[in-house]
Order: sequence, then structure tokens, then C-alpha cells
Amino acid sequence: DTAVSQTPKYLVTQMGNDKSIKCEQNLGHDTMYWYKQDSKKFLKIMFSYNNKELIINETVPNRFSPKSPDKAHLNLHINSLELGDSAVYFCARGGNIQYFGAGTRLSVL
Amino acid sequence: AQKITQTQPGMFVQEKEAVTLDCTYDTSDPSYGLFWYKQPSSGEMIFLIYQGSYDQQNATEGRYSLNFQKARKSANLVISASQLGDSAMYFCAMRTRDSNYQLIWGAGTKLIIKP
Repeated sequence: DTAVSQTPKYLVTQMGNDKSIKCEQNLGHDTMYWYKQDSKKFLKIMFSYNNKELIINETVPNRFSPKSPDKAHLNLHINSLELGDSAVYFCARGGNIQYFGAGTRLSVL
Repeated sequence: AQKITQTQPGMFVQEKEAVTLDCTYDTSDPSYGLFWYKQPSSGEMIFLIYQGSYDQQNATEGRYSLNFQKARKSANLVISASQLGDSAMYFCAMRTRDSNYQLIWGAGTKLIIKP
């Protein structure tokens, strides 16, 4: 079972709002990731968490913050949403193979 | 520099034909892993196949096989007997120690299977 559960699948919101995307994995693996996929389908890693510590933080605005209450969860909080934040966001869990959640399509109006 | 290159932005293939999706990689790390993922129109990212740099044989998973040519630094995905459901974006990715084991992604190839 490689389940990575990500909710919601769709998120439509207004500029300036704060929103969260939840991610849960049931394998107990230490490392989890957040990716952003832009309109051209290019995947960019945003964060990874290993044992509840941030180990990668690419050039992502500090409006984005990952929160890991425990090893099974890595939620993504986004403050003061902007039009350019519209994208598909994927959570993934680590290991030899990365398995992805279903993705969240965020639309900022 | 570590890089994945997928030179085919899009491909049309007749149903039941075999398909080869190209992927070349660049790394100086002798230890690396190569991956292929499928993203159908529904949006999810589905892991297909993995090849380790020290694996002696090409990886296979059902209709998927990875044509690993180390000297050429290529890791092409071969899909045999294509089906309409194979229509999707396909991404090649690489993981190395130098990349801190995070995946380096190609730009993807959009594959459309024609009936």
C-alpha cells in the first residue's frame, strides 16, 4: 500500500486569502515533499521534511510554510494568496521511490 | 550540472504500436537512480519504473521497459502494445547523492495514442 492522501483536490479562492492543503502518508517513511507544477507542467520541489525537520527549502516565498505535526503528515499553508500561486501542488512521500498524492489544483481569483 | 532532457514535447502513436519516449541525463555521480512517471489528464502522478545506475539488467514492469544505455546516458521508456489509456504526460526523473536525493525532473513528453 503506497497511499498518500492529499486534500482537497480542488481549491478555488480569492487573492489575499490564507489556505491549507493537507497531506498524509500511511507508510511511516521519514521524508515527505511538496511540489508545485506550473501551467507548463514543469515540476518544482518546494520543501522536503525529514523527521519533522526541513531539509530542503528552495526559493519559495515565505508565504508558503510546511507544517508537520507528526511523521505521517506534511501540510502546506499558504498566506496572502496571489494570482501567481495558481498551480497544481503535489505532496509526495520519500523512500527509494517517491509516491505522490492526487494533487491539489489551486486557483486564485 | 545535473540535468534531465526529454526532447520530445509531444508524440502521436497508433494504438497497439510500441512507443519509445526519450530521456537523456547528465550527472557526474556514479550512483544514481532513474525514474519514469505517468500523468494522465486526471492529474495524478503515477510511478511506472525505476532503474538504478548499478543495475545490470534493464528494468521491466509489465508493458513498460526501460532501455538503459549507460555510456550514452540515456534511459528511454518503451511501452509495448500501446493502449488508448496510455495517453498522458510522461516524465523522466533522476536522483543522485549530489542532488541530496531529491528528484531532478525532465520537462515531460505528451503522448497521444490514436485509435
